Amino acid sequence: DIVMTQSPDSLAVSLGERATINCKSSQSVLYSSNNKNYLGWYQQKPGQPPKLLIYWASTRESGVPDRFSGSGSGTDFTLTISSLQAEDVAVYYCQQYYSTPFTFGPGTKVDIK
Amino acid sequence: QVQLVESGGGVVQPGRSLRLSCAASGFSFSSSGMHWVRQAPGKGLEWVAVIWYDGSNKYYADSVKGRFTISRDNSKNTLYLQMNSLRAEDTAVYYCARDKDYGGKGGIDSWGQGTLVTVSS
Repeated sequence: DIVMTQSPDSLAVSLGERATINCKSSQSVLYSSNNKNYLGWYQQKPGQPPKLLIYWASTRESGVPDRFSGSGSGTDFTLTISSLQAEDVAVYYCQQYYSTPFTFGPGTKVDIK
Repeated sequence: QVQLVESGGGVVQPGRSLRLSCAASGFSFSSSGMHWVRQAPGKGLEWVAVIWYDGSNKYYADSVKGRFTISRDNSKNTLYLQMNSLRAEDTAVYYCARDKDYGGKGGIDSWGQGTLVTVSS
């Protein structure tokens, strides 16, 4: 099974500042035949289901603000919130869908400093 | 718009069974891979199972393999999760979710509101 880890566990960022979340997979999730990383990022606010932000590691889902961006390849990935807004307070999860079981990372909680 | 509505949750004793349903609307259900994902109280997300658009392939988390069965009825636009031999550690909110891909390898782009399953004597 592919194990997903995230860092940090939590972070507090001032409004308007940058937030960076890291995700690492225990093996590559890059499929060489199509050069796609099978990696998604999700945002979950309290009492709500998760919401897809990024898929294929760097493709922003429709309707997601452009302050959210994803990068990385192979085993190391990053979610960046370029200018944190109050509504971005949430837990963020990465997930690999390269091979079953489609594992999630443990989550990173983002708060306002 | 995409709607996924779970039902069937509740309180059940350890060792008993429960079947969850998920009614889908607003999209082509028969073309979409579908997942069940769960979240224990105060914990993170745990992927449970995926089923291909036509039901031909199904995959499970190790923690539920042999006890849970995912299925679908495309004529009724409904996804199911049959849960047998339930354990206390199966207590969670269970989410029904749609994948961007027919085989579940595109990212989960829509989620239901979830149904709570509590396993307790």
